[in-house]
Amino acid sequence: ETGVTQTPRHLVMGMTNKKSLKCEQHLGHNAMYWYKQSAKKPLELMFVYSLEERVENNSVPSRFSPECPNSSHLFLHLHTLQPEDSALYLCASSSDRGHSYNEQFFGPGTRLTVL
Amino acid sequence: KNEVEQSPQNLTAQEGEFITINCSYSVGISALHWLQQHPGGGIVSLFMLSSGKKKHGRLIATINIQEKHSSLHITASHPRDSAVYICAVRSVSGGGADGLTFGKGTHLIIQP
Repeated sequence: ETGVTQTPRHLVMGMTNKKSLKCEQHLGHNAMYWYKQSAKKPLELMFVYSLEERVENNSVPSRFSPECPNSSHLFLHLHTLQPEDSALYLCASSSDRGHSYNEQFFGPGTRLTVL
Repeated sequence: KNEVEQSPQNLTAQEGEFITINCSYSVGISALHWLQQHPGGGIVSLFMLSSGKKKHGRLIATINIQEKHSSLHITASHPRDSAVYICAVRSVSGGGADGLTFGKGTHLIIQP
């Protein structure tokens, strides 16, 4: 399997549930990203991990908790979400070394609905 | 804060027409992306550029760093080009991994 994969592709959850989104990249990249795309709004950066360390947290509520156990895997743990958190959650990866920047490759996204 | 503005927001054209989508941004950047998003959500990176011009098949992307402006052109447009086209920029920073700032996207429909 190649590229960036995300599971599940669709998720419906209640406000009291706890769930996790998974992202896996098979590109040998060392940076991974979570983005959120809400209806009628631009994509928004949520988190950035570089070499498994979180380097950016874009003022995201604590009900979203990222985890990067290794350079190939990225999780987004969800708990006590609100209906307004319903959105498409996209994962991306890139290969970044110091001041060198390469393009980001996106996964297919997880369509999340919070009831 | 870097603002990314795209125009037009919506564009409907006939098959074969030459398409131009514009992107303006407000601060210095290290790279600009053009992305394509089809219904269902998947995003494909079309171009990443920091200067000049790039061409891939019927797609051409240009950037003018001084004017903080980029354009995406589609020649001989086809119904399969129908998608949302998104401009995204990476601000100048200290280096390493950085998230992107996105425009709202241009919804393109090419009619047969």
